[in-house]
Amino acid sequence: EAQVTQNPRYLITVTGKKLTVTCSQNMNHEYMSWYRQDPGLGLRQIYYSMNVEVTDKGDVPEGYKVSRKEKRNFPLILESPSPNQTSLYFCASRPFSGVLSEQFFGPGTRLTVL
Amino acid sequence: AQTVTQSQPEMSVQEAETVTLSCTYDTSESNYYLFWYKQPPSRQMILVIRQEAYKQQNATENRFSVNFQKAAKSFSLKISDSQLGDTAMYFCAFMKPREGGANSKLTFGKGITLSVRP
Repeated sequence: EAQVTQNPRYLITVTGKKLTVTCSQNMNHEYMSWYRQDPGLGLRQIYYSMNVEVTDKGDVPEGYKVSRKEKRNFPLILESPSPNQTSLYFCASRPFSGVLSEQFFGPGTRLTVL
Repeated sequence: AQTVTQSQPEMSVQEAETVTLSCTYDTSESNYYLFWYKQPPSRQMILVIRQEAYKQQNATENRFSVNFQKAAKSFSLKISDSQLGDTAMYFCAFMKPREGGANSKLTFGKGITLSVRP
């Protein structure tokens, strides 16, 4: 089944404790992206990646890092989480081919930083 | 930069009735793509319908249709014969054409919570 998976689905942590949210897709998509969803703000892009070893900042990159060492994986790293990073996080992927190819979203990760 | 505005935070509709969700956007681009996403309580993001700005014809997907007014920069979603399973948050989103290595970023509105009453 074609899908984007994220782990963990739920995470409660404390300020300053490094964490990684994993994202993996099995569709051989070149493009991957991370969004955060906050009430009243919709979804905003954090980082994106065009392909292996090619990443760039989105609209709200502060406090986050990413890496793309393999085509299928695109982990989101919070080196020193803070309470303002409490949010719902989505990973998404799409192929380069096709002008209007759909973006596939993962199931979301609910992160709470105390 | 592009902006997407959904001014109605909540709406309610009776089952089997028709409801229209509003969305306006601002862009200087002449070609772009517009989407409506549904987010049910499971939080999964589900693509409902998409529209290419250069196409005059409004997109339709079964009970879902759009009213795309390019000059007015308006992109409303009409849900006909509303069903209980339509209860969800709905997001309007904008995407610029992907040129070369351009970012396929979706710019989302704030969302609208739709409740379908039995």
